[in-house]
Amino acid sequence: SQTIHQWPATLVQPVGSPLSLECTVEGTSNPNLYWYRQAAGRGLQLLFYSVGIGQISSEVPQNLSASRPQDRQFILSSKKLLLSDSGFYLCAWTRLNTGELFFGEGSRLTVL
Amino acid sequence: AQSVAQPEDQVNVAEGNPLTVKCTYSVSGNPYLFWYVQYPNRGLQFLLKYITGDNLVKGSYGFEAEFNKSQTSFHLKKPSALVSDSALYFCAVLPRRAGANNLFFGTGTRLTVIP
Repeated sequence: SQTIHQWPATLVQPVGSPLSLECTVEGTSNPNLYWYRQAAGRGLQLLFYSVGIGQISSEVPQNLSASRPQDRQFILSSKKLLLSDSGFYLCAWTRLNTGELFFGEGSRLTVL
Repeated sequence: AQSVAQPEDQVNVAEGNPLTVKCTYSVSGNPYLFWYVQYPNRGLQFLLKYITGDNLVKGSYGFEAEFNKSQTSFHLKKPSALVSDSALYFCAVLPRRAGANNLFFGTGTRLTVIP
């Protein structure tokens, strides 16, 4: 069966510090991978998606970046965090064109 | 522009009563339709989806959703609500075209089931 792991689950970082959130998927190959941000426990904002190694599409311009160094690994990064980067970050994967997303448990980032 | 609307931020229902969480969409063609549920501090979980066929789709935990093409709606329903159904519910659509990779999500509806 397929599983998705996100870490860390909780992170408190000062403004201006770097960020690295990691996501890995097991039990499948060549998944589509996604990073979403959820602010204030409500709507989801798609940040990045990837259809293959090294292929990243950015949906919203910001100081975050994403990388996919391996088929089942997706990393969300920032060189310098802003207060507005605080939120709940969700990684997800899907089989190609099925639309059924499988989400990780999320990473809660607080920038102080 | 393509969009998904969940007109109610909050729905309150008494335990044992039927519940409805509304969703309408504006997407070209006949999209795939989804409902997801999110419990506090957790990721979203898939509930059900409509692809084609019967307009009434049955999903997890006793939930079902009714597709109405003329009204472009996909309302989530359950005949008898449980306190454990209290959560945040998201409607989502995926355009039915080649290369469509991303779901459009609604803003979510918080369901509270009152004991």
